[in-house]
Amino acid sequence: SQQGEEDPQALSIQEGENATMNCSYKTSINNLQWYRQNSGRGLVHLILIRSNEREKHSGRLRVTLDTSKKSSSLLITASRAADTASYFCARLSYNQGGKLIFGQGTELSVKP
Amino acid sequence: EPEVTQTPSHQVTQMGQEVILRCVPISNHLYFYWYRQILGQKVEFLVSFYNNEISEKSEIFDDQFSVERPDGSNFTLKIRSTKLEDSAMYFCASRRTDKLSPLHFGNGTRLTVT
Repeated sequence: SQQGEEDPQALSIQEGENATMNCSYKTSINNLQWYRQNSGRGLVHLILIRSNEREKHSGRLRVTLDTSKKSSSLLITASRAADTASYFCARLSYNQGGKLIFGQGTELSVKP
Repeated sequence: EPEVTQTPSHQVTQMGQEVILRCVPISNHLYFYWYRQILGQKVEFLVSFYNNEISEKSEIFDDQFSVERPDGSNFTLKIRSTKLEDSAMYFCASRRTDKLSPLHFGNGTRLTVT
């Protein structure tokens, strides 16, 4: 499959804990993107990391990229109940249309 | 902040009927996409559209599907003869020309085929 694999598929934590979600992919990439989806809503872009970057931060989000292992991780620190959502990694296809290919997603539940 | 809007939010139709899902992408975006998500499953690419033509389509996007940009603002997905398995959330997305620019998604149309 061209799509990424994410683990875990589901993650349940307490408020204040950190949440780590992982993503693996099979082909070379130009960049990797992470999106969030609240239940029944559209996907919202969180962060993009380029292939020549190893780590990137945005607020409570930290993304790492290991191109040798073809994997990325998203860390949410000091989680809040409002972080409850599904999180997807996505890679850009090199085809002309520039589509994003999404992973299976991790369903995060943060309990208050 | 500008956003992608989709209508209707929920569409119920009978098997064999035609449906048109509508989207208004962000005005200065040039790449448009349709994705679908069957309940609880992955987000699947259907089609990309640029410069008034399809630039790529997936295996799902067979002859029953078509897209159109009838004017300068709307982007539509038509399913000619719906099947039960077409029941899903359909998301429209758009982005600027720069391939590093993120996709902006609408909130989707939930299509239920009975």
